[in-house]
Formats: sequence, structure tokens, C-alpha cells
Amino acid sequence: NAGVTQTPKFQVLKTGQSMTLQCAQDMNHNSMYWYRQDPGMGLRLIYYSASEGTTDKGEVPNGYNVSRLNKREFSLRLESAAPSQTSVYFCASSTNRAGNTIYFGEGSWLTVV
Amino acid sequence: DQQVKQNSPSLSVQEGRISILNCDYTNSMFDYFLWYKKYPAEGPTFLISISSIKDKNEDGRFTVFLNKSAKHLSLHIVPSQPGDSAVYFCAASDDKIIFGKGTRLHILP
Repeated sequence: NAGVTQTPKFQVLKTGQSMTLQCAQDMNHNSMYWYRQDPGMGLRLIYYSASEGTTDKGEVPNGYNVSRLNKREFSLRLESAAPSQTSVYFCASSTNRAGNTIYFGEGSWLTVV
Repeated sequence: DQQVKQNSPSLSVQEGRISILNCDYTNSMFDYFLWYKKYPAEGPTFLISISSIKDKNEDGRFTVFLNKSAKHLSLHIVPSQPGDSAVYFCAASDDKIIFGKGTRLHILP
């Protein structure tokens, strides 16, 4: 009963390094999302994908790129990591646009030093 | 510019009493509203939702009220239990889902 799986769970990066956070869902959902959670800031939407082949910017897209590789997978890439990107990242998926509950992964803790 | 606002960062309630968490939104295009609960080191989990065509939805101890004219919704938990201590996020959706900053609920013994 995997649901939404994201890797890695923990990562430490040096400023300027690049990395990709991987996310996969096994619920046949059309929509997938990447959020970041920071103290006092709640969950902020970075990018979302309403369906395979489409991606759209959320509230805080700067410094990130995404790829909707297929229906199951949605990756988040940091091309040149900055300390401001230290955060907890959550991948999520839902059946379709608005009106359906979304299901979250367990989170990825990223520290940029 | 916050589209979904939870103005109370934290709330303490006695066990057995009613907990009321509030949320305001600015975008009149939102047509669905959700509440999520989050424990430390875990992903948020869905709690309850309401469509914009309704003004109340109830599920066990949890009730969500929607006042569209005021662009306000609230989550009522009654009676409050120790396991309800968590961070609660209000969310609203049109073609994407936007979350508030969360309210940390403490249930006191």
C-alpha cells in the first residue's frame, strides 16, 4: 500500500550543487504536486502537473524545475542549490483538479550548507 | 499575497471541549475547501472537505462550516481528544490547491 513515495528522505547539499527529488504514485492519479514546508510559512506550492505532459508554476517556483516523466512520476530538480532552499519537500497526488483530496508522501528533508 | 489565511498560529483547548480552527480566503474562484492534519515528521493527511455549494459538512467529531459571503471557513472538533494535537492546514482549490500557514492545536489534559 505504497501511495506516494518520494526519495531521498534526507539530503545535505553544498551551495551550488544540483540534485533531483524523485516522486512516484501508484494510485493512477492524474495530478501531482510539489510543496515545500518552512517554519511559520505553511505548505507552499512549488509546481504542479494537472496531467501527464503538463506542468505549471505554483506560488514559489524560482530555483526549481520539474519533469512529469509519465503518469506515475513527477521529479523536482534544484539546478544550483541555495541555503534558502533548505526545507522539507512534500510530493502529493490527486485524482484530478480541484475537488478531490490529495495524498502526500512522507517528505524529504533537504539541507543546503 | 496569501490567498488562504490561518491567522492563529496556535490554539490550546481543554480535553473534552470544542476546538474551533478558522480560515479565511481571498480568491472567490475557489470551489473546494479541505482540512489536513499533520503530525511531526509525517506528511499531511486528509481530514474533511466541503464543496462551495454547501455550507456544512460533518464527519464524526469533525464539522466544517463554510460562509461564502464572508470567505470564511471553520473546523469544529468536538469533543477534543489528546490525539487531536497536531498542526491543521486549511486548503482551497481551483485548478491547484493552496494551503494556509497552519494552526498548531494543543489539547490540554
